[in-house]
Amino acid sequence: GDSVTQMEGPVTLSEEAFLTINCTYTATGYPSLFWYVQYPGEGLQLLLKATKADDKGSNKGFEATYRKETTSFHLEKGSVQVSDSAVYFCALSEGAQKLVFGQGTRLTINP
Amino acid sequence: DVKVTQSSRYLVKRTGEKVFLECVQDMDHENMFWYRQDPGLGLRLIYFSYDVKMKEKGDIPEGYSVSREKKERFSLILESASTNQTSMYLCASSSWTGGLYEQYFGPGTRLTVT
Repeated sequence: GDSVTQMEGPVTLSEEAFLTINCTYTATGYPSLFWYVQYPGEGLQLLLKATKADDKGSNKGFEATYRKETTSFHLEKGSVQVSDSAVYFCALSEGAQKLVFGQGTRLTINP
Repeated sequence: DVKVTQSSRYLVKRTGEKVFLECVQDMDHENMFWYRQDPGLGLRLIYFSYDVKMKEKGDIPEGYSVSREKKERFSLILESASTNQTSMYLCASSSWTGGLYEQYFGPGTRLTVT
């Protein structure tokens, strides 16, 4: 079945550092890909999405590019802030209503 | 903005109790979902519903049931709560938007079973 694998956390960075959270997937077809973010005490919010190969999703300074050849959708941000501290989830959907999530990566940014 | 609300943020129940978790969405979405979230395991789908009175099992339906009598409301039922059902429960709804299904999540209910 479909699956998503994220880099193990927790990840701790200093403010203004460069962020990469790796995400790779396994799917039989051509999924849509998502990054969700969960701030402390809250539900998940959609951060960005991409629906086909080479699409780049972007939002709030975060970016991720749909790479079909490497089955990856890595999340990047050039300069992180303390307010980016959260848990980040990579997910895929193959046109059906359901999402398949990775295990989540906890990110902590120190001032 | 889409709003998904859950009846409780925190809930403490005893082993063997019947537990109801309620979820309401205000955007007329046809699809609704219940997940549980556990550290290191991400989100796992318990049940989902694509229409009133319709339900489908997700990946971990054992010990749970659901009810969808109205389009906006989706209830998760723990028939006889057990300690291994202590978890964060997240409800979501979705509809077809811009070529894909985008899910919107509620704030979650942290359930503790003692």
